[in-house]
Amino acid sequence: DAKTTQPTSMDCAEGRAANLPCNHSTISGNEYVYWYRQIHSQGPQYIIHGLKNNETNEMASLIITEDRKSSTLILPHATLRDTAVYYCIVRGTGNTPLVFGKGTRLSVIA
Amino acid sequence: NAGVTQTPKFQVLKTGQSMTLQCAQDMNHEYMSWYRQDPGMGLRLIHYSVGAGITDQGEVPNGYNVSRSTTEDFPLRLLSAAPSQTSVYFCASSYSGLSYEQFFGPGTRLTVL
Repeated sequence: DAKTTQPTSMDCAEGRAANLPCNHSTISGNEYVYWYRQIHSQGPQYIIHGLKNNETNEMASLIITEDRKSSTLILPHATLRDTAVYYCIVRGTGNTPLVFGKGTRLSVIA
Repeated sequence: NAGVTQTPKFQVLKTGQSMTLQCAQDMNHEYMSWYRQDPGMGLRLIHYSVGAGITDQGEVPNGYNVSRSTTEDFPLRLLSAAPSQTSVYFCASSYSGLSYEQFFGPGTRLTVL
């Protein structure tokens, strides 16, 4: 079973920041939080991951709460091309596989 | 780099037929995996491999076989196709270890009649 809880769907106006929440209250100390997205029927695409510090890259920012029980993915200026299903995944130690839940369907509206 | 490639892109089978879905990567990744995605659902793990000669089962392994004779290739075999195996199949690869991103292929859309 997926270890995360995400809203089923969200809307965001084009040009505004999209904030996607994720609950992972049972996360262990050595587990990372990963975010992937899937645009239409393409293969999932990696966005960002983190352990406990906030992370930023060219695509997004990841904010992890101090107790690590939840996180937020931020797309700073959403565009129509960001419309996708976003998956928050907690990954275990070693080579444990990614386990996908149902994700959040983000619709960016013009 | 071609990344992760999958063939074929589309396939239609009749119940009981067998076939092999091909997956290859040119990034020298140790870790490879197969997922299936049914309409409106998330991805479910079928099998994975942490290196040549090593494979393990995922959430939904029944009806599928895998082998990993080379680092580059990770074929998925359907022994006797069933309509319940109609799905989109994705292959993924990454370096081994916790903090590496996985790269996904474009998928194979399989219909079993």
